[in-house]
Amino acid sequence: GENVEQHPSTLSVQEGDSAVIKCTYSDSASNYFPWYKQELGKRPQLIIDIRSNVGEKKDQRIAVTLNKTAKHFSLHITETQPEDSAVYFCAASADNDMRFGAGTRLTVKP
Amino acid sequence: DGGITQSPKYLFRKEGQNVTLSCEQNLNHDAMYWYRQDPGQGLRLIYYSQIVNDFQKGDIAEGYSVSREKKESFPLTVTSAQKNPTAFYLCASSRTDRETDTQYFGPGTRLTVL
Repeated sequence: GENVEQHPSTLSVQEGDSAVIKCTYSDSASNYFPWYKQELGKRPQLIIDIRSNVGEKKDQRIAVTLNKTAKHFSLHITETQPEDSAVYFCAASADNDMRFGAGTRLTVKP
Repeated sequence: DGGITQSPKYLFRKEGQNVTLSCEQNLNHDAMYWYRQDPGQGLRLIYYSQIVNDFQKGDIAEGYSVSREKKESFPLTVTSAQKNPTAFYLCASSRTDRETDTQYFGPGTRLTVL
């Protein structure tokens, strides 16, 4: 089955800096890669996603890149703000079988 | 994700008791999922269902049971056989079209064993 690895497990940046979170996956059949943001005690919220026919997608300060050959994808957050502080999860899905990474706790220091 | 509700928000269980967590959605989604989240960890799949009256075990199904009698509802029972049930439980739903399989999550139920 699919195995998703996510790095780093914790990330601390200064406000205004960029943050990058990386994930790798094992199943070449995976074709959908969402990213979720989870604040403490809350539900995971979808922030951006990408499908395997696209290499990069951007939404304001958030971007995701996908390298299908290498089986890795990354989340990029630019101009970070304190409200970006949360746990971020990547996931990889093939035919609705979704597997999640272990999460990255991002702290943005003001 | 506002169309998925879970109840209760907090649940306390005595050892040896079975408890049932509710999950309802009004998004007309075919697929529903249950995940368990432990502190500082990711989401682990317990059970999923892609159609009414059918469900499959996920990675950690032991000690749990589900039913899917209605499209809108996917209750999870935590049985006394689950040795370490204290965790945050998340329900999710999605369409089953190949091009639209985004999962949307409910607000979660925090279960504590006393």
